[in-house]
Amino acid sequence: KNEVEQSPQNLTAQEGEFITINCSYSVGISALHWLQQHPGGGIVSLFMLSSGKKKHGRLIATINIQEKHSSLHITASHPRDSAVYICAVRQGGNKLVFGAGTILRVKS
Amino acid sequence: GAGVSQTPSNKVTEKGKYVELRCDPISGHTALYWYRQSLGQGPEFLIYFQGTGAADDSGLPNDRFFAVRPEGSVSTLKIQRTERGDSAVYLCASSSLGTGGRGETQYFGPGTRLLVL
Repeated sequence: KNEVEQSPQNLTAQEGEFITINCSYSVGISALHWLQQHPGGGIVSLFMLSSGKKKHGRLIATINIQEKHSSLHITASHPRDSAVYICAVRQGGNKLVFGAGTILRVKS
Repeated sequence: GAGVSQTPSNKVTEKGKYVELRCDPISGHTALYWYRQSLGQGPEFLIYFQGTGAADDSGLPNDRFFAVRPEGSVSTLKIQRTERGDSAVYLCASSSLGTGGRGETQYFGPGTRLLVL
């Protein structure tokens, strides 16, 4: 079993829909990251969380430390949100352990 | 300012050859990370540098893989006797502190796509 599991693996949505991507982890962590990867490989850090909730524009990330679960929400989705969204956890020290990613496609 | 850069962007080599992949981190960033991403997978940690020294190399798959950062800035990932299974995107990231603190963001380069024929 992977230490970081994401669901769904693939997600197709219509423009304007509310989107949720989930991440569960099985190890103790000091922080959780949500990353966005566009075709061609470039990875951008969206959020870093250790508790609670963060919001940036149409993106919201939440984490429940007790349940070892985090969610990434996208409100009013747009085709430009199409990308791979990756959850990664920091276990202490500097090593990040990554999930396999969720491929999101938003259709206009 | 300039982000993390990696060269080459693509590398095709033959099985058994030696390759070097270069990473230029953001200026002033003390921490540098190498990851490997296979098709359809998330990135996988290889090695982490704090300054010139490798603070954690537990992700290097075997002794064919080696990385250096002699002056605490540019890093080179070296792969000897390449195998077809080494084909992947090799990603580099840097961060400003490298303390593993909660407030630290890693900035990723565009990656080097390595194909071993």
